[in-house]
Amino acid sequence: GAGVSQSPSNKVTEKGKDVELRCDPISGHTALYWYRQRLGQGLEFLIYFQGNSAPDKSGLPSDRFSAERTGESVSTLTIQRTQQEDSAVYLCASSLDFPGEQFFGPGTRLTVL
Amino acid sequence: DQQVKQNSPSLSVQEGRISILNCDYTNSMFDYFLWYKKYPAEGPTFLISISSIKDKNEDGRFTVFLNKSAKHLSLHIVPSQPGDSAVYFCAARNTGTASKLTFGTGTRLQVTL
Repeated sequence: GAGVSQSPSNKVTEKGKDVELRCDPISGHTALYWYRQRLGQGLEFLIYFQGNSAPDKSGLPSDRFSAERTGESVSTLTIQRTQQEDSAVYLCASSLDFPGEQFFGPGTRLTVL
Repeated sequence: DQQVKQNSPSLSVQEGRISILNCDYTNSMFDYFLWYKKYPAEGPTFLISISSIKDKNEDGRFTVFLNKSAKHLSLHIVPSQPGDSAVYFCAARNTGTASKLTFGTGTRLQVTL
């Protein structure tokens, strides 16, 4: 399909391990966003990439979280030394430009034991 | 600091009746508001939006109303259908200064036969 894809769909890890979550945006979309949704909460903004501009990292909760994007393609969200409070669904979205409509992927459900 | 609030976690409506989902916000700098619909194990999908220069926007069975003085918006679905059963998220943005969407915690709508 032509939608936003994310992998893996589910990830179970042990506390203290590092995890990498992947997002493939819609082809041609210049803007890419990461959000997370913890149980019973709304979606929480993490980071935003727009073309070659410096990313907006204002939503990253700690320095254990980082994200990269190569050009206008794949993005990887990395969480180092995972904690139990990192357990959440991590959602990626892309838009054709800013501030265009955001199309969301199905999310990665991360469980930290 | 929950800037976008959806105070009703759930709502049950009979098929054919009107569903009214409410959302309140505290940030007066928000100038664009959106509603997203989310089915289980899927990402949110855009439903309808409204700019702060309007007080109403209609798209088929869906109408969004904005009351800026009360910092309140609502989504009306008429007539409600069983396929409308999902979680509905209200989101807001300050287009000029912020790239991110700020989401509410969602309202689970159940449309019964």
